[in-house]
Amino acid sequence: DAGVTQSPTHLIKTRGQQVTLRCSPISGHKSVSWYQQVLGQGPQFIFQYYEKEERGRGNFPDRFSARQFPNYSSELNVNALLLGDSALYLCASSLTGTGWDTGELFFGEGSRLTVL
Amino acid sequence: AQSVTQLDSQVPVFEEAPVELRCNYSSSVSVYLFWYVQYPNQGLQLLLKYLSGSTLVKGINGFEAEFNKSQTSFHLRKPSVHISDTAEYFCAVSYSGGYQKVTFGTGTKLQVIP
Repeated sequence: DAGVTQSPTHLIKTRGQQVTLRCSPISGHKSVSWYQQVLGQGPQFIFQYYEKEERGRGNFPDRFSARQFPNYSSELNVNALLLGDSALYLCASSLTGTGWDTGELFFGEGSRLTVL
Repeated sequence: AQSVTQLDSQVPVFEEAPVELRCNYSSSVSVYLFWYVQYPNQGLQLLLKYLSGSTLVKGINGFEAEFNKSQTSFHLRKPSVHISDTAEYFCAVSYSGGYQKVTFGTGTKLQVIP
């Protein structure tokens, strides 16, 4: 079975540009979360979506936005890119949007964004 | 607020030796605790999780962790490491209830020396 897939795997942008990252969850999973992992640090929570609605938002500026589609795939958008946005962006899917008994997060391999 | 402290940024250990990766957390409410592993150029994979019940949790690849509420610790152990265990390990915490926000530590790089 296919795991969580993310695209693109690598991309380079310049300051001020906008970027869209895409994520397809594991089949049957209805929740998608986004994390930012800056080099040398642990991942930081950006958003969680469940059944197309935002369930949670981390401490990120409004330049970051996301949405979830009827097929449960998701996009993360970042506007007005800054050098500090350079990071690995990880998408994770889970079967349910709450709880941990059956709510394990499955991570994709990430999209590595470099801002010049 | 949730926070996770991983005291060691790097841990070198010889092959077949035991290893312990340390993790301390802070939270004012009940928490769920996790250890994830990240191999180079890959996403994160769940090693084990503590939700409730027995404080000794066994995970994949021979790893185990012990939840200690009084010391707010959740250290990861393996009695005998292999070269293939070379990776970065992240301790993480989540609130009980609510949405699935996970707070990660800064990671510990385990380097297994042949």
